[in-house]
Amino acid sequence: DAGVIQSPRHEVTEMGQEVTLRCKPISGHNSLFWYRQTMMRGLELLIYFNNNVPIDDSGMPEDRFSAKMPNASFSTLKIQPSEPRDSAVYFCASSSRTPGLKDTQYFGPGTRLTVL
Amino acid sequence: SQKIEQNSEALNIQEGKTATLTCNYTNYSPAYLQWYRQDPGRGPVFLLLIRENEKEKRKERLKVTFDTTLKQSLFHITASQPADSATYLCALLTGNQFYFGTGTSLTVIP
Repeated sequence: DAGVIQSPRHEVTEMGQEVTLRCKPISGHNSLFWYRQTMMRGLELLIYFNNNVPIDDSGMPEDRFSAKMPNASFSTLKIQPSEPRDSAVYFCASSSRTPGLKDTQYFGPGTRLTVL
Repeated sequence: SQKIEQNSEALNIQEGKTATLTCNYTNYSPAYLQWYRQDPGRGPVFLLLIRENEKEKRKERLKVTFDTTLKQSLFHITASQPADSATYLCALLTGNQFYFGTGTSLTVIP
């Protein structure tokens, strides 16, 4: 298995632009998680899905952030408009059990986002 | 909300010694606690899980303890090797919330 796949690996954009991060979970996994990692705040859970349905989005910082999971093999995290404080590494993770939080999470390589 | 504190300073130890990393939490005792390893430029990798009713868990050179009275987990790497150098994160599930610590950077000196 290729593991969790994220794209792009690096993204540099200007303030105000729309940014879309993509994730393909491990085949057969039914839970998907989006995290943000910064030096100051560490790894923060933004949102997680179970069977393509958003279960908890309380970690999403504000309305500029949105996430979708149109099918079991694809998810997006969108920031519109982006701001410099959104600069961070964004990780996607998946796990195989319901409700997912109680199982091992497999992380992707991350997307390093820089907003100028 | 839950607050998690890991060793704030980076940890440097000699090869062959035992490394001990600390994870302290406030508020509610978690249903379980996990430890992950993260290498630079990569995502965290799961190492061990320990449940609230377990005192200790082992896996090869790794050992995790969980003390709900002290609200603390200790992570030990015995016979440490330079390849163990990485950042180690603890993560807790409390209720329906999942929290990660900021991590402890470990360097094993040959």
